[in-house]
Amino acid sequence: DAGVTQSPTHLIKTRGQQVTLRCSPKSGHDTVSWYQQALGQGPQFIFQYYEEEERQRGNFPDRFSGHQFPNYSSELNVNALLLGDSALYLCASSPGRDRYQPQHFGDGTRLSIL
Amino acid sequence: QKEVEQNSGPLSVPEGAIASLNCTYSDRVSQSFFWYRQYSGKSPELIMSIYSNGDKEDGRFTAQLNKASQYVSLLIRDSQPSDSATYLCAVNPIQGAQKLVFGQGTRLTINP
Repeated sequence: DAGVTQSPTHLIKTRGQQVTLRCSPKSGHDTVSWYQQALGQGPQFIFQYYEEEERQRGNFPDRFSGHQFPNYSSELNVNALLLGDSALYLCASSPGRDRYQPQHFGDGTRLSIL
Repeated sequence: QKEVEQNSGPLSVPEGAIASLNCTYSDRVSQSFFWYRQYSGKSPELIMSIYSNGDKEDGRFTAQLNKASQYVSLLIRDSQPSDSATYLCAVNPIQGAQKLVFGQGTRLTINP
């Protein structure tokens, strides 16, 4: 039973570029959430997708956008990259119908902005 | 006031002792509470979930919830060096939703 998978593992970009991160949820999960974790901090909620729509959004600018596909996989896009966007980006999945189930995390994508 | 607060540590505990990790939260309507363990350079791994007041035990781990005091704790009995990690407290602050709000984490070191 595959868990949450994310790609790529590492990514290096320069300021002003755009990046796309990908996530496949755990089997049986239909809800995908994205988090940003800066060094030494806890993860911060970016947004959540369910039934191919953004269901909730955290306090992140419009440069951060996402998409969910019919197979429940998801993408996180970040435009006009800033140095402060350097972080570990985590994808978490959960079953959408049971809103109290915990979220399970993938291994993350470490994004470095030069 | 932060929504979820944890002592960042580091917390040092001798091997075989009980490690006690604490977390407070600000939103009274919070419904779900989770403890995640995160090894350096890795992603968070779910250890415990708790939804109602009282204690919940799973092996060497016990989660305690007191909604009146808005307080969650994690006890690790018979601490092992492999328990050395950062422990993240996470709260679902919105009823019926699944957004998680995390504390900054407590770094725990178990000394052999």
